[in-house]
Amino acid sequence: DAGITQSPRHKVTETGTPVTLRCHQTENHRYMYWYRQDPGHGLRLIHYSYGVKDTDKGEVSDGYSVSRSKTEDFLLTLESATSSQTSVYFCAIGAGTVYNEQFFGPGTRLTVL
Amino acid sequence: AQKITQTQPGMFVQEKEAVTLDCTYDTSDPSYGLFWYKQPSSGEMIFLIYQGSYDQQNATEGRYSLNFQKARKSANLVISASQLGDSAMYFCAMREGNTDKLIFGTGTRLQVFP
Repeated sequence: DAGITQSPRHKVTETGTPVTLRCHQTENHRYMYWYRQDPGHGLRLIHYSYGVKDTDKGEVSDGYSVSRSKTEDFLLTLESATSSQTSVYFCAIGAGTVYNEQFFGPGTRLTVL
Repeated sequence: AQKITQTQPGMFVQEKEAVTLDCTYDTSDPSYGLFWYKQPSSGEMIFLIYQGSYDQQNATEGRYSLNFQKARKSANLVISASQLGDSAMYFCAMREGNTDKLIFGTGTRLQVFP
């Protein structure tokens, strides 16, 4: 158990509304990541963070923003949700080992109507 | 350009048999890492095995082994003695150089039957 929680686990919202997903870790790891998973695409990186207030864009960052004000929390915000953002969102942490494998949270299923 | 390719959308294997899940990759960086993850129907992502580009030997973790063929740019996952609980989606992923970003393939759904 890598000590990663995501909230909420499920959310249904309407187009145009703002949505914030939270990732919380208890392991004090430096690196955190947000991915989305869609059929036929595997997992794609949205944004990542390498420390408090240090974030960078991933492959599919348009329409998303992130914030990390504390080591343990990494927030993903959809400023104005669209139906194309309906997906399963995973948070991950970098293990900090020589492999720096990533451990994933349980995921958040977001539906935008 | 897609950098991780998993050409098998689905695979079937009988319990207790071995199965190979294919993964090919593309990179010009001499330093990279290759990962396999398992995603059961419950949805969580489980790290299985890692292979570094400079590792001389194929990685093994219990019933999982990675058949690493550098010249072919392939990193196939071999599961020996399949169990019903191995039924899941399997994802291959790559990390290039000193980055910590992973690029994932589209996955292979493995179904183990009795």
